[in-house]
Amino acid sequence: AQSVAQPEDQVNVAEGNPLTVKCTYSVSGNPYLFWYVQYPNRGLQFLLKYITGDNLVKGSYGFEAEFNKSQTSFHLKKPSALVSDSALYFCAVRDRSSGSARQLTFGSGTQLTVLP
Amino acid sequence: EAGVAQSPRYKIIEKRQSVAFWCNPISGHATLYWYQQILGQGPKLLIQFQNNGVVDDSQLPKDRFSAERLKGVDSTLKIQPAKLEDSAVYLCASTFSGSGRNTGELFFGEGSRLTVL
Repeated sequence: AQSVAQPEDQVNVAEGNPLTVKCTYSVSGNPYLFWYVQYPNRGLQFLLKYITGDNLVKGSYGFEAEFNKSQTSFHLKKPSALVSDSALYFCAVRDRSSGSARQLTFGSGTQLTVLP
Repeated sequence: EAGVAQSPRYKIIEKRQSVAFWCNPISGHATLYWYQQILGQGPKLLIQFQNNGVVDDSQLPKDRFSAERLKGVDSTLKIQPAKLEDSAVYLCASTFSGSGRNTGELFFGEGSRLTVL
């Protein structure tokens, strides 16, 4: 079984400050990890993913995430937040050994609010 | 490249009525998913298709929900009869499944928001 935990329902940060949205995961094998963003009344948009290789992954809109195998974490970060980054963020995991199933399991989401 | 298309965007029905949602995935994407997203929660997988076959429907409430992808392209999700707890956004997603090109991410449609009164 695979699962994702996003321990914070809400994260508030001032514009220009760094932001972190936390994610921890559980899989029986090795993970593929993803971050998605959802704006109001829209579908989920892909931000970035970790498949293998460098633990620091860079994605869209200046976001990055760091894979930490020992802590089973994949926290989303951005050095300088923008008001337009305010949205709902979802972490997702897939077990590499899931074969044709290839199903993503999502966390419950974290609402990011960037204050001007 | 056109994205995942879903319709209708919004639907309001009374309990015990029926509703159907349609999804057209990105061209060439063999794998199609239906997710249910209840307000305040993350998306939960309902069913996964590979071409026109079902890969996983273990979380689909089969007494009221059904889905099909007859020609391996577009798909329909039906709820009959609807309950109050079915109020949610129904998200369709697709991905290319061929080896070497499947990098894992899913591409989502805008979703269909269902309100059951």
